[in-house]
Amino acid sequence: AQSVTQLDSHVSVSEGTPVLLRCNYSSSYSPSLFWYVQHPNKGLQLLLKYTSAATLVKGINGFEAEFKKSETSFHLTKPSAHMSDAAEYFCVVAANQAGTALIFGKGTTLSVSS
Amino acid sequence: NAGVTQTPKFRILKIGQSMTLQCAQDMNHNYMYWYRQDPGMGLKLIYYSVGAGITDKGEVPNGYNVSRSTTEDFPLRLELAAPSQTSVYFCASSRDTEAFFGQGTRLTVV
Repeated sequence: AQSVTQLDSHVSVSEGTPVLLRCNYSSSYSPSLFWYVQHPNKGLQLLLKYTSAATLVKGINGFEAEFKKSETSFHLTKPSAHMSDAAEYFCVVAANQAGTALIFGKGTTLSVSS
Repeated sequence: NAGVTQTPKFRILKIGQSMTLQCAQDMNHNYMYWYRQDPGMGLKLIYYSVGAGITDKGEVPNGYNVSRSTTEDFPLRLELAAPSQTSVYFCASSRDTEAFFGQGTRLTVV
């Protein structure tokens, strides 16, 4: 069965410093992986997705993630945090090879201080 | 371009009441989903549909029902509301691997 584990429930950074949100996955086949962001009282927005093309995936708002099969990881990074990055972030794996059903991690809350 | 539209945005139900959460998408997506989000638990899949007339259970289907009579609409029905169904509900649709989410329905059962 497919699953994801987000290793930190809460990450705090200062504005202008790097962001690292960690995610490990488990999948019986080559997975499709995603990061979604949810701002307070809002829906979810896709940040980026990995679907077996390039292992380094670039997303919106300066975020990127690297797929590492040997480590079963898909960590999300950003070189310099902005106040507007404060939100809940979800690592997601597709539950079937068609990518039509998504399994969510429990989420990481990112706080950014000035 | 509306995307995925959910109604209502908020609702308070009494135990035992029933209601339908509406979801509509205008992107002609075949795949539609219902998730519930509880604090610290991420999103859990309730039901999904791969096309009109086809639905299937997700991780947490008990207490819910769905139908998919058209490509655009995917309503979620609660027949006998229970306090455990207090949650935020999200509808989503997709053509392939990228899902588009509605703004959510915050439901409280008292």
